[in-house]
Amino acid sequence: GENVEQHPSTLSVQEGDSAVIKCTYSDSASNYFPWYKQELGKRPQLIIDIRSNVGEKKDQRIAVTLNKTAKHFSLHITETQPEDSAVYFCAASKRNNNDMRFGAGTRLTVKP
Amino acid sequence: KAGVTQTPRYLIKTRGQQVTLSCSPISGHRSVSWYQQTPGQGLQFLFEYFSETQRNKGNFPGRFSGRQFSNSRSEMNVSTLELGDSALYLCASSSTNYGYTFGSGTRLTVV
Repeated sequence: GENVEQHPSTLSVQEGDSAVIKCTYSDSASNYFPWYKQELGKRPQLIIDIRSNVGEKKDQRIAVTLNKTAKHFSLHITETQPEDSAVYFCAASKRNNNDMRFGAGTRLTVKP
Repeated sequence: KAGVTQTPRYLIKTRGQQVTLSCSPISGHRSVSWYQQTPGQGLQFLFEYFSETQRNKGNFPGRFSGRQFSNSRSEMNVSTLELGDSALYLCASSSTNYGYTFGSGTRLTVV
């Protein structure tokens, strides 16, 4: 089955700086790559996703890039704010198959 | 539109007992997936049901089982509970092959 690796496991940045989280996947057939944010004590929530026919997608301060050849994708958060502090999970799955596998998570801390 | 509802929110069980957790997906969603979340292991995939059929299964022992009913509600069962089964169990529903919506989870504590 699919194996997703995520780095780093923890990330601390100053408010206003950028944060980058990277993930790699093993199954070349995977074609859907979502990112979830989980605040303390809350459920994971989808913040952005990308499909394999797109190389980059942006939504305000958040962007995701995908390199299908290298089988890796990244989350970029610019102008970080304290409310961005949370655990972020990447995931990968295949079309017509909801066997979605998650990375181990990155705990992002934004210091004011 | 109601979200994904999981019951109960909290459970305390004794080793050796069994437990059943329930998940009601968003209306119209036919796919329900279950995950185990522990502090050190992230989100571990248990299984996924679509139209009452188990479509995918993770690497968990046979003590973990599930089912889905015709109204798409799903249950998961854990038999012969072990201390290591203590975790947050999350279910997620989807109407297509993209984009999960998670429930708030059931926190299971095994003593």
